[in-house]
Amino acid sequence: DTGVSQDPRHKITKRGQNVTFRCDPISEHNRLYWYRQTLGQGPEFLTYFQNEAQLEKSRLLSDRFSAERPKGSFSTLEIQRTEQGDSAMYLCASSLALATSSGYTFGSGTRLTVV
Amino acid sequence: DQQVKQNSPSLSVQEGRISILNCDYTNSMFDYFLWYKKYPAEGPTFLISISSIKDKNEDGRFTVFLNKSAKHLSLHIVPSQPGDSAVYFCAASAQAGTALIFGKGTTLSVSS
Repeated sequence: DTGVSQDPRHKITKRGQNVTFRCDPISEHNRLYWYRQTLGQGPEFLTYFQNEAQLEKSRLLSDRFSAERPKGSFSTLEIQRTEQGDSAMYLCASSLALATSSGYTFGSGTRLTVV
Repeated sequence: DQQVKQNSPSLSVQEGRISILNCDYTNSMFDYFLWYKKYPAEGPTFLISISSIKDKNEDGRFTVFLNKSAKHLSLHIVPSQPGDSAVYFCAASAQAGTALIFGKGTTLSVSS
């Protein structure tokens, strides 16, 4: 297992289009998290799953955003009707539930640019 | 309202000296704290964590100190190396395995 994998690495889209990102977590990790990071800021929490259940969603996750983890393995994050303000790095992380010493493992992210 | 604050945007240290990065938090429900390092175009890399039942955790050159009464934690790197140059993020959660709240980061530059 090579860690958390995110696809694509970069995405350029026109305003108003829909985009979907994929995250493959570390196989034995049952928790999966989505974060967004903009320039000069730390990662901002969006949502997380335990297995296929979405346990928490941030108020940052507007109606245009939806995340799924249908079989408790990979996850997708979809943004509908993209806006320029959606331009950011979208990070995925995974962990074991209640893991303390090992932290959360992040992927390299998907860089979204909305033009 | 920022719940996790890193008030120093940048820090410059000479190779071999100690680097001290600071972090303050406001939410008394936080009981799990982590430090991450981030290079450009990569995701954050986990460095070290500490739970609220401890006041110190050490891993090689990295030591994290937690002062619960002051709601303050710090990361000590000794000795600092040029490869440590990166952005360092402090993060906290109310319970391990739940949503992490990050600070804005501190850019560490270690010169040789």
